Amino acid sequence: QQQVKQSPQSLIVQKGGISIINCAYENTAFDYFPWYQQFPGKGPALLIAIRPDVSEKKEGRFTISFNKSAKQFSLHIMDSQPGDSATYFCAASPDSNYQLIWGAGTKLIIKP
Amino acid sequence: DGGITQSPKYLFRKEGQNVTLSCEQNLNHDAMYWYRQDPGQGLRLIYYSQIVNDFQKGDIAEGYSVSREKKESFPLTVTSAQKNPTAFYLCASSARGYSNQPQHFGDGTRLSIL
Repeated sequence: QQQVKQSPQSLIVQKGGISIINCAYENTAFDYFPWYQQFPGKGPALLIAIRPDVSEKKEGRFTISFNKSAKQFSLHIMDSQPGDSATYFCAASPDSNYQLIWGAGTKLIIKP
Repeated sequence: DGGITQSPKYLFRKEGQNVTLSCEQNLNHDAMYWYRQDPGQGLRLIYYSQIVNDFQKGDIAEGYSVSREKKESFPLTVTSAQKNPTAFYLCASSARGYSNQPQHFGDGTRLSIL
């Protein structure tokens, strides 16, 4: 119940395409869902986060879609660029808890 | 510039040796965290501290120890009891010790066994 399952493990997308990464959870108490972006040799950085009171949140080319009934959320990267090549982690937590539960990560490669 | 500084970037441990990883932050954050990252896995929490002089075990605390004597510093010691220490170690901080606060990460320390 504490797991967050992330897929795919790796993804190759052509420049200008849409990258889609999916996450699923079981614990209905989860109500905070962030996405982090990690470049090689660096620590992760918060990209965008959503709470279940909205179904979608957009920041620039990055959009989180949230399906509460299916207990799934996904990251869409529109007009994907080579600079978006990184590892992306989803995470989840009950609000005000101390600990994030992390997905296993998706290595995204954008081909020029 | 405010941020988190981890040192060293690379560290090698001999059998039976304890090693200490440094983590310093100048963000004036209350909470600090240590994670372990292995290939193909998400981040696993080793220890966290919500306030000075207090810390709690995470999911994989065995073989590790920490201290939080100053707000800015949260060093991690990998003891000889940790039989598989080879990993990428990440330190993070957040303004408060709640999961809905953004966590700011350092650039990590890569630990290997000689």
